[in-house]
Amino acid sequence: NAGVTQTPKFRILKIGQSMTLQCTQDMNHNYMYWYRQDPGMGLKLIYYSVGAGITDKGEVPNGYNVSRSTTEDFPLRLELAAPSQTSVYFCASSYHRSATNEKLFFGSGTQLSVL
Amino acid sequence: AQKITQTQPGMFVQEKEAVTLDCTYDTSDQSYGLFWYKQPSSGEMIFLIYQGSYDEQNATEGRYSLNFQKARKSANLVISASQLGDSAMYFCAIGGNQFYFGTGTSLTVIP
Repeated sequence: NAGVTQTPKFRILKIGQSMTLQCTQDMNHNYMYWYRQDPGMGLKLIYYSVGAGITDKGEVPNGYNVSRSTTEDFPLRLELAAPSQTSVYFCASSYHRSATNEKLFFGSGTQLSVL
Repeated sequence: AQKITQTQPGMFVQEKEAVTLDCTYDTSDQSYGLFWYKQPSSGEMIFLIYQGSYDEQNATEGRYSLNFQKARKSANLVISASQLGDSAMYFCAIGGNQFYFGTGTSLTVIP
C-alpha cells in the first residue's frame, strides 16, 4: 500500500542551489498536485497536472517547474533556491477531478530549508 | 477562480463538548466538492469528510458532520463529543479541476 511517495523527507539547500523533489503514486491517478505549506499557514497550490503531458500553474508557481512524463511521476524542480522557498512541500493525487468525491491522497511531505 | 475562507485561527473546546469550525467559499464552478482535512502535529494530512455541491443531505462521518448551506456558501465542520486526539489543525478545501485550501483553524481540546 505505497500510495503517494515523496522523497526526500528533509533537505537543506544553499541559496542558488537547485534540486528536484520526487513524487510518485501507484494508484493510477490522473490528477496530481504540488502544494507548499509555510509555518502556521494553509496549503498553497504550486502546480497541478490532469494527466501525463499536461501541467498547469497554481497560485504560487514562481521559482518552480514541473513535468509529467508518466502517469506515476510528478517531480517538482527548484532551479535557484531562495530563502522564501523554505517550506513543507506536499505532493497529492486523485483519480478524477475532486468534485466527484475524489479526495486527495497526500504524500508525507518534504521539509525544505534554504539557507 | 475558487477561494476558501476560514476566519477562526484558533478554537478551544472542552472535552466531550461539540465544536463548529467555520468555512465559507467562493467559486464560479457549478459542480464542486467541499472537503475537510485534519493535520495533527505530526504533519500528515488526514481526510475527514466530503460534501458534493449537488448533495441535498449534509454529510456525516462518525463524529464529524458537515453543515452545508449552499445559498450562503458555507460548509462548516461540526465535531461532536470532542476528544483530546482531536487537537490539530483543520483545513477546509474546495475541489474542481484544482483544489484549494483555507488557512486553517487550530483546535485545542481541553481536558
